[in-house]
Amino acid sequence: AQKITQTQPGMFVQEKEAVTLDCTYDTSDPSYGLFWYKQPSSGEMIFLIYQGSYDQQNATEGRYSLNFQKARKSANLVISASQLGDSAMYFCAMGGSNYKLTFGKGTLLTVNP
Amino acid sequence: GAGVSQSPSNKVTEKGKDVELRCDPISGHTALYWYRQSLGQGLEFLIYFQGNSAPDKSGLPSDRFSAERTGGSVSTLTIQRTQQEDSAVYLCASSLRIGDNTGELFFGEGSRLTVL
Repeated sequence: AQKITQTQPGMFVQEKEAVTLDCTYDTSDPSYGLFWYKQPSSGEMIFLIYQGSYDQQNATEGRYSLNFQKARKSANLVISASQLGDSAMYFCAMGGSNYKLTFGKGTLLTVNP
Repeated sequence: GAGVSQSPSNKVTEKGKDVELRCDPISGHTALYWYRQSLGQGLEFLIYFQGNSAPDKSGLPSDRFSAERTGGSVSTLTIQRTQQEDSAVYLCASSLRIGDNTGELFFGEGSRLTVL
């Protein structure tokens, strides 16, 4: 079974600062993928970044980077230079040998001006 | 359209009524998923389709829930005899293929169901 844990129900950050959203996971699959999605108040789920379990380097997509520490089973999302539009719910998810993504409960990020 | 389309976007119904939620995935996507998101919660997996086949229906909360997919495209999620605890946002997602842990899911904007 797969499990995703996001321990931060809410986070606050000042505009232009960096913020780290925590995610830990548990799986018995030797090969898996880790995802981060953003859900603004409008409700749509927006894909941000993907990290494969065998990828040697941490994934980066613009201002988003994924701090992947395999031994610790963590896949934290780092957002650099936060913007007001980054205020949203953020979900960590995992895909393994099965057919579905398993999601965490999410972290609500608020960016203050 | 280019994205996953869901309808209705909002549905208010009375307890005991049946509802149908529709999902039109991205053209060419063979895999289709239904998730449920209750207020302030994460996403709860309901069912997935590979083509028109639903190999695993174990995520459906009860036998009041059913889903079908026709022509490898449009899917309908049906909830019979709705209960107040069915109130949630029902999200549909599609991806190019299934069983691939690199597969990004593309989500629709969801159908918000309110059962009075």
